Amino acid sequence: GENVEQHPSTLSVQEGDSAVIKCTYSDSASNYFPWYKQELGKGPQLIIDIRSNVGEKKDQRIAVTLNKTAKHFSLHITETQPEDSAVYFCAASTGQAGTALIFGKGTTLSVSS
Amino acid sequence: GAVVSQHPSWVICKSGTSVKIECRSLDFQATTMFWYRQFPKQSLMLMATSNEGSKATYEQGVEKDKFLINHASLTLSTLTVTSAHPEDSSFYICSALQGAGANVLTFGAGSRLTVL
Repeated sequence: GENVEQHPSTLSVQEGDSAVIKCTYSDSASNYFPWYKQELGKGPQLIIDIRSNVGEKKDQRIAVTLNKTAKHFSLHITETQPEDSAVYFCAASTGQAGTALIFGKGTTLSVSS
Repeated sequence: GAVVSQHPSWVICKSGTSVKIECRSLDFQATTMFWYRQFPKQSLMLMATSNEGSKATYEQGVEKDKFLINHASLTLSTLTVTSAHPEDSSFYICSALQGAGANVLTFGAGSRLTVL
């Protein structure tokens, strides 16, 4: 089955700096890669996703890149703000109807002002 | 946007009792819902896949008789933790798929279960 590795487990940056979180996956059939943000005591919230027919996607300060050949994808947050502090999870799935997401172990991002 | 409501958000129960957690899709029909479990500072672990009108599919190592899942309608799935013990204390999160062909998941806010 699919296995998703995520690095780093913790990341501390200064406000205004960029943050990059990387994930690798094992199943070459996976074609859907979302990123979720989870604040303490809350459920995960989808922040951006990318499908295998696209190499990069951007939404304001957040971008995701995908390298299908190398089987890795990354989340980039620019101009970080304290409210970006949270746990970020990457995930992967084959995109087949009813297929569950397999999550990475998460990255705790801390943005200090 | 799609909203998934989970209830209760917090529950404390005595060891040996059963607890039911509800997961509702508020503005869409969800043929498939997923139940995840999350321990403190850890990732989300898939427990089971719940399909409307059929039996749930459990992941390896998850006891189906302990974690009863019912998906009786297109907007409601329930997870019942039977004969709960302290080791069942965890954060349980449901998620729902919009439509049969979609794979975009919307998560509920989670239910924190504490078993005394």
